[in-house]
Amino acid sequence: AQTVTQSQPEMSVQEAETVTLSCTYDTSESDYYLFWYKQPPSRQMILVIRQEAYKQQNATENRFSVNFQKAAKSFSLKISDSQLGDAAMYFCAYRIDDKIIFGKGTRLHILP
Amino acid sequence: NAGVTQTPKFRILKIGQSMTLQCTQDMNHNYMYWYRQDPGMGLKLIYYSVGAGITDKGEVPNGYNVSRSTTEDFPLRLELAAPSQTSVYFCASSYLASGMYEQYFGPGTRLTVT
Repeated sequence: AQTVTQSQPEMSVQEAETVTLSCTYDTSESDYYLFWYKQPPSRQMILVIRQEAYKQQNATENRFSVNFQKAAKSFSLKISDSQLGDAAMYFCAYRIDDKIIFGKGTRLHILP
Repeated sequence: NAGVTQTPKFRILKIGQSMTLQCTQDMNHNYMYWYRQDPGMGLKLIYYSVGAGITDKGEVPNGYNVSRSTTEDFPLRLELAAPSQTSVYFCASSYLASGMYEQYFGPGTRLTVT
């Protein structure tokens, strides 16, 4: 069965610093997709970044980037130059065919 | 585009009552989903639909029913509310189910069953 594990329930980072959120997943498939979603206090789920498993190049979206290690089944999110607006729950998600599985989330606090 | 809209935003039910959570999307997406998010947990899939007239169970379907008579609407029905159904419910839609196509989420409905 596919599972997604986020081992850090909470993290804190100083404003303007860099933080990395961890995500590992378990699958026997070779072709799948990975996502990071952000959920601010408004509860709205917002897509941050996505990665195709067959691409070796790590995805980047402005201050957000991933470190995708397919063999290790690891998909960490790096946030550079952290801003107060980055404070939120972050969910890692794994998708294959019509199934998408979410991790339990990491709550990120930004310290001014 | 309004995207995915959900009503109501909040609701308190008594045990045994019934209600329907409404979900509408205006993006002409074929795929629609219902999730629940319990405190401190990720999202769990309740039901999903690949198009009008077609629905299928997700991870946690017990106690819920859905219908999909139009592309736009995907209501979720709770027949006999139980305290275990206290949760935040999210509706989502997607252009395609697979691949890079992201899911667009509604703002959620916070349901309390007492």
